[in-house]
Amino acid sequence: QVHLQESGPGLVKPSETLSLTCSFSGDSVYWNWIRQPAGKGLEWIGYVYYTGSTSYNPSLKSRVTISIDSSKKQISLKLTSVTAADTAMYYCATRIFGEYYFDTWGHGTLVTVSS
Amino acid sequence: QSVLTQPPSMSGAPGQRVTISCTGSSSNIGAGYDVHWYQQLPGTAPKVLISGDNNRPSGVPDRFSGSKSGTSASLAITGLQAEDEADYYCQSYDSSLYAWVFGGGTKVTVL
Repeated sequence: QVHLQESGPGLVKPSETLSLTCSFSGDSVYWNWIRQPAGKGLEWIGYVYYTGSTSYNPSLKSRVTISIDSSKKQISLKLTSVTAADTAMYYCATRIFGEYYFDTWGHGTLVTVSS
Repeated sequence: QSVLTQPPSMSGAPGQRVTISCTGSSSNIGAGYDVHWYQQLPGTAPKVLISGDNNRPSGVPDRFSGSKSGTSASLAITGLQAEDEADYYCQSYDSSLYAWVFGGGTKVTVL
């Protein structure tokens, strides 16, 4: 069974880079980041495959980097040039091979973009 | 503006049936991609409720069921209970956006 725990700075200044970490236990194939602004819907940010290959939401692709460090059992998310619109709860979630849904979610970490 | 469209809110009395719609297009639901449903209780992360159109993970009551037709899908909750008060999201894959997409969510209130 997979367990996920997100962590990172709760406050980021506009124009800076948001950096988050998802620590995991257990095995999966696709490791995803999904975000949710307060009171709003969910947005898929992207995933890293266990081999290190990635896929990103085209709406965020120019600003996003997701990577995996299997030895540390960590997934990282970097989002550059943030604005207030990037303020959201950020979730780490897994997807198993051959399936198109997110089967396990972390508790999420809240990031506020403000000066 | 979400790619998949859901009603913002629905309500029902205990024991009643509530059906939540999820409308997509020819590049997602209409293209044959599965629709999945998540339940998000207040202050918690989403949890998968229905996968692959109408498959319930272990532990999900059979009061929840999913269906799909054309470019739309539905989640039905029969025998509504107080503990079902939550936000519900549909999700699919969009082949023109090359992205996993969600509905805007439906808040279900138990009267």
